[in-house]
This record gives sequence, C-alpha cells and structure tokens, in this order.
Amino acid sequence: EAGVVQSPRYKIIEKKQPVAFWCNPISGHNTLYWYLQNLGQGPELLIRYENEEAVDDSQLPKDRFSAERLKGVDSTLKIQPAELGDSAVYLCASSKTSGSAMDTQYFGPGTRLTVL
Amino acid sequence: GDSVTQMEGPVTLSEEAFLTINCTYTATGYPSLFWYVQYPGEGLQLLLKATKADDKGSNKGFEATYRKETTSFHLEKGSVQVSDSAVYFCALFNDYKLSFGAGTTVTVRA
Repeated sequence: EAGVVQSPRYKIIEKKQPVAFWCNPISGHNTLYWYLQNLGQGPELLIRYENEEAVDDSQLPKDRFSAERLKGVDSTLKIQPAELGDSAVYLCASSKTSGSAMDTQYFGPGTRLTVL
Repeated sequence: GDSVTQMEGPVTLSEEAFLTINCTYTATGYPSLFWYVQYPGEGLQLLLKATKADDKGSNKGFEATYRKETTSFHLEKGSVQVSDSAVYFCALFNDYKLSFGAGTTVTVRA
C-alpha cells in the first residue's frame, strides 16, 4: 500500500513569492491534515479535511495561507506571499476518519520550505 | 488548551542501554496518548498508543503506560540498538485533534 505522497520534498523561494505544496493521501482515507513543523518543535495542525470539506481551519493563517481538496482526494496548500517566518516543514497526513483515536494518522515525508 | 511536555534532548546512549523519555500532558476529558517516531529522512510513524488509563502500549520493544494519576506516558526500552536512533514525539488525541510535544532526539552509539 502506497503511503502519503508529498511534493516537492524541498523548496527554496524568495520572500513575497508564492509557493504551493501538494499531497496525495492513502487511498480510501477520507480525512486529510496539513501540519506545520518548525525546527525543534512538534507538528501543529493547520487544517483538517473530511472529504472535500475543511472542518477545522482555525489554526490556518487565512491572510496568506489557503488550501483546497476539490475532489476529496489530493490536496494543495498555498502560501502567498511567503514570509521569512514561514520557513518550516509542511506535513500532510491522512486517516480513514477523524473521530476516533483508533484511526491512525499516517504522515508523509513533508516539504521543507526555505524562504530567503 | 491541550498540551504535551516531553523530556528535552538530545539523548545519547550506548547500544544495549536502557532508554526512558518522559512525557506529561495537560488535557480536558479523556485523551488518547501516542508515541510517534521519525527516523532520519522519513516521515512520522506511529510507534505505540494507549486509549485509556492504565493501558500499556508496546511495539518493537518499546513500552509506555497511560498514567492518569500523574498525567504521564513515559516511553521505555530495555536495550536500545543503533537502529533506534530517531526523533521521538509524544502526542495526545482529544476533540478530533492530535497535539504533539517538541520531540526528543535519541542517538544510539555502537
């Protein structure tokens, strides 16, 4: 079974430029998550999707961040414009559902963003 | 809000040594508790979990017991190997949300 796929693995951009990250979850997983992981810290949830609906985006900085999951499968996270403080690893995860701790979240390898 | 505090690293051990990583939590209700591991160059993966008080999670020789009275979920392994070198994250699941600690880097020397 293929795991969670993310691309690109690494991205270097100038500040004020836009950037997008792509995630393809495990087949059959209805719930998709985007996390932000700063250096030396644990992941923090940005947004959670149930199928194509964003059910928790309370931690997403909506002035510059946006996300979509149009067909309830793969998802894109965008930053526009990027700031120096956005340098971090962006993780995507998926699970069959989100309501139970028994539904393990499976993580992708992440995209490491560097903003210069 | 919910939070997880885990032992700061880095931790460096010799092969076959005993490993313990402390983890305590603050949460409302009855969270489930997890340990995730991140090996070099790989994504986070679930190591073990416990869903209620006094449950013991175990996997790959690692163990952790959900202690509600001390709000703790310490990770232990009796004899580590070089292949156990990784970053270990304690986490709790509550109200549909997974909250992580800062991670502890463990290096095992041959």
